[in-house]
Amino acid sequence: GAGVSQSPSNKVTEKGKDVELRCDPISGHTALYWYRQSLGQGLEFLIYFQGNSAPDKSGLPSDRFSAERTGGSVSTLTIQRTQQEDSAVYLCASSFGQGVTDTQYFGPGTRLTVL
Amino acid sequence: GENVEQHPSTLSVQEGDSAVIKCTYSDSASNYFPWYKQELGKRPQLIIDIRSNVGEKKDQRIAVTLNKTAKHFSLHITETQPEDSAVYFCAVSGGSYIPTFGRGTSLIVHP
Repeated sequence: GAGVSQSPSNKVTEKGKDVELRCDPISGHTALYWYRQSLGQGLEFLIYFQGNSAPDKSGLPSDRFSAERTGGSVSTLTIQRTQQEDSAVYLCASSFGQGVTDTQYFGPGTRLTVL
Repeated sequence: GENVEQHPSTLSVQEGDSAVIKCTYSDSASNYFPWYKQELGKRPQLIIDIRSNVGEKKDQRIAVTLNKTAKHFSLHITETQPEDSAVYFCAVSGGSYIPTFGRGTSLIVHP
């Protein structure tokens, strides 16, 4: 079946502009994660959605970052007033949401470049 | 919160040699330890995982060992091949639904 998809695959923007990144999880997966991966770095957790529960936003680096998940499926990560340090690959992952041992399935990522 | 350290950051081996990557963690409540492989420009993919009630798990040429007392676990790849070249990430979860990832190990297998 279809895996996790993300769009766009690449995004180049100017400093100060807003960007929206989209994630389509695997159908039936109730858990959805956003991560940021900077060059040569590990995966930095940003936000976690589980079903209809309030999201865990503890990883968002500033109030310029926000995310929503509509209808328990598609998620959008929004970065307002982008800064050069926001340049990174943004990865989305989904899982069945049945426990901490769920396998996470990653999307291909969106490479964001802020000029 | 959880603190995960992964070593080495880069590992260069000859084809056919073995490779070992180690991760240490801090939260004794952690009970799930997956390993992901990320090829250049590709998405991370789970290659093997282990739960805290098991000390070792093997899948063909890869294996993972866990020492809960010492709070470390390792990925072992035997008979390495050029297609094993990638970045490998360990992760730790259990105390929280949110996994903590290591910083990654770049494995280079020379033909």
